[in-house]
Amino acid sequence: DAGVIQSPRHEVTEMGQEVTLRCKPISGHNSLFWYRQTMMRGLELLIYFNNNVPIDDSGMPEDRFSAKMPNASFSTLKIQPSEPRDSAVYFCASSSLLQGKVKETQYFGPGTRLLVL
Amino acid sequence: SQQGEEDPQALSIQEGENATMNCSYKTSINNLQWYRQNSGRGLVHLILIRSNEREKHSGRLRVTLDTSKKSSSLLITASRAADTASYFCATVFITDKLIFGTGTRLQVFP
Repeated sequence: DAGVIQSPRHEVTEMGQEVTLRCKPISGHNSLFWYRQTMMRGLELLIYFNNNVPIDDSGMPEDRFSAKMPNASFSTLKIQPSEPRDSAVYFCASSSLLQGKVKETQYFGPGTRLLVL
Repeated sequence: SQQGEEDPQALSIQEGENATMNCSYKTSINNLQWYRQNSGRGLVHLILIRSNEREKHSGRLRVTLDTSKKSSSLLITASRAADTASYFCATVFITDKLIFGTGTRLQVFP
């Protein structure tokens, strides 16, 4: 299995531009998570999906951030317009939520390192 | 907001020594997990301990959980240079939402 795939691995953009991050979860996993990691705030959960439905987006910082999961094998995180304070490493993770059980292990992608100038 | 606080923030040891990291959390949990992150990489799951368990082993890893004190510890025995990484605890409450701690940076010198 290829694991969780994220693209791009690195993104440099200018303030005000739209940024789209992409994630392909592990085949068969039904939960997908977007995290942001910075030195100041550590690892923060932004949003997660279960069976393609957003379950909790309370971590999304503001309306400039949006996430979609049109099907079980693809998700996007979009920032529009981007700002310098959005600079961070964005991770996607997936897991298999068993029926009636709390999820156990999350599998992380390699991350997208975003720099907004 | 982060659920867990880890202690110490940074730890430097020699190869062969044991490394102990501690995690404290705030609310009741269903389970607690430990992850490792190598520099510039994603997180890798190490071990999970459920709220009704007190100790768990996996290879050179030993995890303890004290729900009365809302704390956990991760012990790496006979450390190796390859263990150099950041280690995070993460708690699960009701849903499959993980809340990560602040992490401990471990440096193992050859």
